[in-house]
Amino acid sequence: DSGVTQTPKHLITATGQRVTLRCSPRSGDLSVYWYQQSLDQGLQFLIQYYNGEERAKGNILERFSAQQFPDLHSELNLSSLELGDSALYFCASSPRPGDNEQYFGPGTRLTVT
Amino acid sequence: LAKTTQPISMDSYEGQEVNITCSHNNIATNDYITWYQQFPSQGPRFIIQGYKTKVTNEVASLFIPADRKSSTLSLPRVSLSDTAVYYCLVGGFTGGGNKLTFGTGTQLKVEL
Repeated sequence: DSGVTQTPKHLITATGQRVTLRCSPRSGDLSVYWYQQSLDQGLQFLIQYYNGEERAKGNILERFSAQQFPDLHSELNLSSLELGDSALYFCASSPRPGDNEQYFGPGTRLTVT
Repeated sequence: LAKTTQPISMDSYEGQEVNITCSHNNIATNDYITWYQQFPSQGPRFIIQGYKTKVTNEVASLFIPADRKSSTLSLPRVSLSDTAVYYCLVGGFTGGGNKLTFGTGTQLKVEL
């Protein structure tokens, strides 16, 4: 158990819909990262927040957005969903903004039908 | 971020030592080398990290030669439960944020 929690565990929705994935970092960690893992793309970095502010951006689509709240939990919002958005979405956390040592949550499996 | 190259797959037997080598020819001066393990449908798990020479923890050792253009993850006495994908990552600590880039990894299969 990494100490990072993600909800929900599974999510099934239809194309065009909007969903919100939630992540709670390990106690004391200020940095949160979001990753997408699909079969054909591997594990892709999406975005990072540190203490409420965006720190780094990866291959995140404009239809996706994220934020980190004052209590340090983070939400990833996915809108206008397409079949290709079906994937595992992982959240990770670390104490500092530049850590290569990150602790990953169990993931949310999103299925778009 | 430095590009890394590692074998796509490796096979081993229980009780053997496994060495997975990663090539990173364009590693930068401030880059660290980090290894992760991932089981199917689970998040990657941090194994070990190093900058030069040798680092050892309770689960693995990491060997880095003087030129730092490659590194070797050593898993002593593997068991069936070590069957997983292993990722080698190279990157520096940046106050502005860090984008971990995961390659295709090495699928390790351990058999009886």
